[in-house]
Amino acid sequence: GEDVEQSLFLSVREGDSSVINCTYTDSSSTYLYWYKQEPGAGLQLLTYIFSNMDMKQDQRLTVLLNKKDKHLSLRIADTQTGDSAIYFCAESKGSNYQLIWGAGTKLIIKP
Amino acid sequence: DVKVTQSSRYLVKRTGEKVFLECVQDMDHENMFWYRQDPGLGLRLIYFSYDVKMKEKGDIPEGYSVSREKKERFSLILESASTNQTSMYLCASTEGTTGGGEAFFGQGTRLTVV
Repeated sequence: GEDVEQSLFLSVREGDSSVINCTYTDSSSTYLYWYKQEPGAGLQLLTYIFSNMDMKQDQRLTVLLNKKDKHLSLRIADTQTGDSAIYFCAESKGSNYQLIWGAGTKLIIKP
Repeated sequence: DVKVTQSSRYLVKRTGEKVFLECVQDMDHENMFWYRQDPGLGLRLIYFSYDVKMKEKGDIPEGYSVSREKKERFSLILESASTNQTSMYLCASTEGTTGGGEAFFGQGTRLTVV
């Protein structure tokens, strides 16, 4: 199959770390992505990782890829209210970068 | 700094109407996509186009058609709108030839069919 699975929501306290998980099924995917959708807006690329990498860090964001288990995670350190959004995991497929999308994880920040 | 523009943020149409959703990108991208987004279902691909006048069906093409007469413009057409087509519609484009394959999205069109 071509499923990308994510939890529907995650609730964390402001200042804590958030870890959003994703599992995928296509082992031939070359890129895996995290997109962020703020309320009332389209999606924006947050970060991506090439399939031959295990980890990628960019400021407060850390992406971990476990190819053996086909598991991708996004860690947001020091979560802020501005991080409230829906986070989508996606994997690439084919030469035209057609993306297979997860259902999105809504990140809820508690004060 | 707007890169992908959808013609309307909100639309209300009647059942049976023909509906046109327009999308324009200014990045000279080869690939353009139409998705619908529904709660709990994520993004589902309706159609995509990898070149002018070329189109491919996505996962849920039934009830939709598309047109790409110019590279920068990709139109989604609902031939006869039905209430189950009430949804958020997102247009995206990608370059398709370089690494990363970042997709740029429009702001979305929320369509309500009554």
